[in-house]
Amino acid sequence: DAGVTQSPTHLIKTRGQQVTLRCSPISGHKSVSWYQQVLGQGPQFIFQYYEKEERGRGNFPDRFSARQFPNYSSELNVNALLLGDSALYLCASSSEKGGNYGYTFGSGTRLTVV
Amino acid sequence: QKEVEQNSGPLSVPEGAIASLNCTYSDRGSQSFFWYRQYSGKSPELIMFIYSNGDKEDGRFTAQLNKASQYVSLLIRDSQPSDSATYLCAVGSNYQLIWGAGTKLIIKP
Repeated sequence: DAGVTQSPTHLIKTRGQQVTLRCSPISGHKSVSWYQQVLGQGPQFIFQYYEKEERGRGNFPDRFSARQFPNYSSELNVNALLLGDSALYLCASSSEKGGNYGYTFGSGTRLTVV
Repeated sequence: QKEVEQNSGPLSVPEGAIASLNCTYSDRGSQSFFWYRQYSGKSPELIMFIYSNGDKEDGRFTAQLNKASQYVSLLIRDSQPSDSATYLCAVGSNYQLIWGAGTKLIIKP
């Protein structure tokens, strides 16, 4: 079975540009979460979607937005990129909305803003 | 603000010994606790989760939870060089995980 798949794996963008990151959850998982991980730190929660509805939002500016599609895949959009947005962006899926049995992470998208 | 604290390490342990990793959390109402392993340049991989006070064993790994002390630990028995990684403690809070910064573990052959 395929795990959580993310695309692209690496991305280089210029300050001020916009970026879209994509995620496909494990088959049958309806919950998708996005996290940002800066080097040397633990992941920071950005969004969680369950059944296509936003269930939680972390402390990130409005430049960050996301959505979940009917097939439960998800996109994370970041507008007006800043140098500080450079990070590993992780998508995680769970079989239920609370993540009580843990989340499975994709391999991540490494975003570099120059 | 809800926080999860871990010693950043590195923690150096001889091969075959027991590695002990610790984590404290600030939200007394937390109900779910997770240990993830992250190799350099890779994404976190779930090792174990625990909800109840006491010990939970899975192979060479044992998670320990003490809610009164707001303390979670992970023991790795018979440590192998392949266990060298950063170990992240995460605490469930509503629909998100609150993470520590991780402890870097080095297993010396």
